[in-house]
Amino acid sequence: QKEVEQDPGPLSVPEGAIVSLNCTYSNSAFQYFMWYRQYSRKGPELLMYTYSSGNKEDGRFTAQVDKSSKYISLFIRDSQPSDSATYLCAMSANSGAGSYQLTFGKGTKLSVIP
Amino acid sequence: DVKVTQSSRYLVKRTGEKVFLECVQDMDHENMFWYRQDPGLGLRLIYFSYDVKMKEKGDIPEGYSVSREKKERFSLILESASTNQTSMYLCASKTRDRRATLAKNIQYFGAGTRLSVL
Repeated sequence: QKEVEQDPGPLSVPEGAIVSLNCTYSNSAFQYFMWYRQYSRKGPELLMYTYSSGNKEDGRFTAQVDKSSKYISLFIRDSQPSDSATYLCAMSANSGAGSYQLTFGKGTKLSVIP
Repeated sequence: DVKVTQSSRYLVKRTGEKVFLECVQDMDHENMFWYRQDPGLGLRLIYFSYDVKMKEKGDIPEGYSVSREKKERFSLILESASTNQTSMYLCASKTRDRRATLAKNIQYFGAGTRLSVL
């Protein structure tokens, strides 16, 4: 079983739809969870960052973490064509100063159709 | 804002050439990383560095080496490029500051270098 599983898509939705992107993981030590957005031919940029379980909202974006199910989600409300990108989940087991490892999902490619 | 700059966006090289990919960050970050990204395989860590002149192998170091002579600069070297090294290469940096709380986990990426080896 891979450490982080993410459906690669592609996912195509009409403008204005609610989008749900998900990752599952197997390592119960993960406690820091991130979502990166990557536009075509660009580097990933941090979109959302959450610690442990719960929800975090930022504008049209909501990140959810359910540690009991080892499941994280990113919701996009009122999706726009500019949201078309690949979304990568990433997670880390600890925040020690010497720690380095982020484990990434393979990314879900999203297209929002006008 | 953190800025991670990769020297080239696109490179075309021939098999057997020695290739240098350069990365510079402006946030005084201690940790720097090199990844490659391929369709269906996601991001794979090649090497990382946690301090000047210090380096650690990642998941796929074969065929690559790195150099970190200054804190802000991390170079990836392909000693003898091969066609299977055609890929998107991404550099990232991260603070190691204990005071940075949650930010300690955030990696900041450059725009990437798309390398084609013919």
